[in-house]
Formats: sequence, C-alpha cells, structure tokens
Amino acid sequence: DGGITQSPKYLFRKEGQNVTLSCEQNLNHDAMYWYRQDPGQGLRLIYYSQIVNDFQKGDIAEGYSVSREKKESFPLTVTSAQKNPTAFYLCASSLRTGDYGYTFGSGTRLTVV
Amino acid sequence: QKEVEQNSGPLSVPEGAIASLNCTYSDRVSQSFFWYRQYSGKSPELIMSIYSNGDKEDGRFTAQLNKASQYVSLLIRDSQPSDSATYLCAVLHTGGFKTIFGAGTRLFVKA
Repeated sequence: DGGITQSPKYLFRKEGQNVTLSCEQNLNHDAMYWYRQDPGQGLRLIYYSQIVNDFQKGDIAEGYSVSREKKESFPLTVTSAQKNPTAFYLCASSLRTGDYGYTFGSGTRLTVV
Repeated sequence: QKEVEQNSGPLSVPEGAIASLNCTYSDRVSQSFFWYRQYSGKSPELIMSIYSNGDKEDGRFTAQLNKASQYVSLLIRDSQPSDSATYLCAVLHTGGFKTIFGAGTRLFVKA
C-alpha cells in the first residue's frame, strides 16, 4: 500500500544536539512538506519541496534544515539552533503543490531532555 | 488576525445529531479549501475539499463555501462517537505553494 512513513515515532534530544527525522513516501508525489504542531495551535510550515533538489523555507524555518536528493525522501534536521524543538512533527506529501490535499505521515514526537 | 480561524470548542453533540463546524479565512483571493480530521495523538486525514461556492456532499459530510463572506463550514450528519476528533480547516495560500491550517475544533459525540 502507498503511504508516507515517518521515523522514529518518538525522539529525545539532548541540549546542543542535532537530530534528523526521516520521511519516506511511495505515492510518487512531487511535493513534500514538513509541519510542526504545538498544543492549541495550527500546523505551522517549516519547509516544503516542489521537486527533487529544490526546497523552500516556510514560516518557521529557523533552526531547521532539509534535503531532497530523492523524490521519495525528505528528511528534516532539527539543529541546536532551534531553541524550542519539543513538538509533534508531521511530514506530508501531495501530487504537486497547488490544489491538492495532503497525505500525512504518522508523525514524530520530539522531546528535549 | 489569524489567517484561518476556528472555534477551538469543544463542540459536544448527541449521537445522531448534526455537528456544524465553522471556519473563517482572511485571504480574500483563496481558492481551495480543505477539512482534515485528526484523532488524538494521530496525524491529520483529509476528509473533504471544496473549491466553488455552495455545498459539496460526500456521505455523511457536507462542506459549504461562501467566498463573499470568507467562510467555510463542515456539517456531519448522523454524528457517531467515532466522529469525536479535532477537525482542521485548511486554506491554500495565494500563490499556491502552501496550505494554512486553523488550530482546529474539538468535537465530542456523546453516545
């Protein structure tokens, strides 16, 4: 079955540490996105990619980095520069950017310890 | 003003009733609108999309769009306890590259 796989499901980060969240899709979608969800707030866009080898900053990109070397993969690195990284991170994909709804992965819960 | 606003709820309805969820948006030229359902601790799931003024029905769900009033709603008929979730309204931003999400409305359907 086609879908999006995020791993790990839970991740604990120590102060000053970089961590990478994995996102893989087999839907043959061109566009991929990373959102962050905090309690009581809507999803906020971190980065998006319309096509392989191209990505754009979203509304809250500071302290995060991404790559899009393969169509199927869009990993997110949370760097030590992100001062408040504890959140639920959601990866999504759509056929293309534009008038298409998203398919979401199951999410990664990141906690700073 | 938030770009996409929803009443946070909780909205509580009895089983079998109609649940009405509302959303307003600020970007007058937005063209595409979506409703997602998110169960507690899970990721959102797309349930409806609507692009034109009027109603769009899919099973027990009806999405309604009024672009003049910048208002979109979701009606759930014959509500079931399994419909208890947070419903996220989402609007495609002008330029077409990103979707803006509301904070969601929590719905409880009482058996």
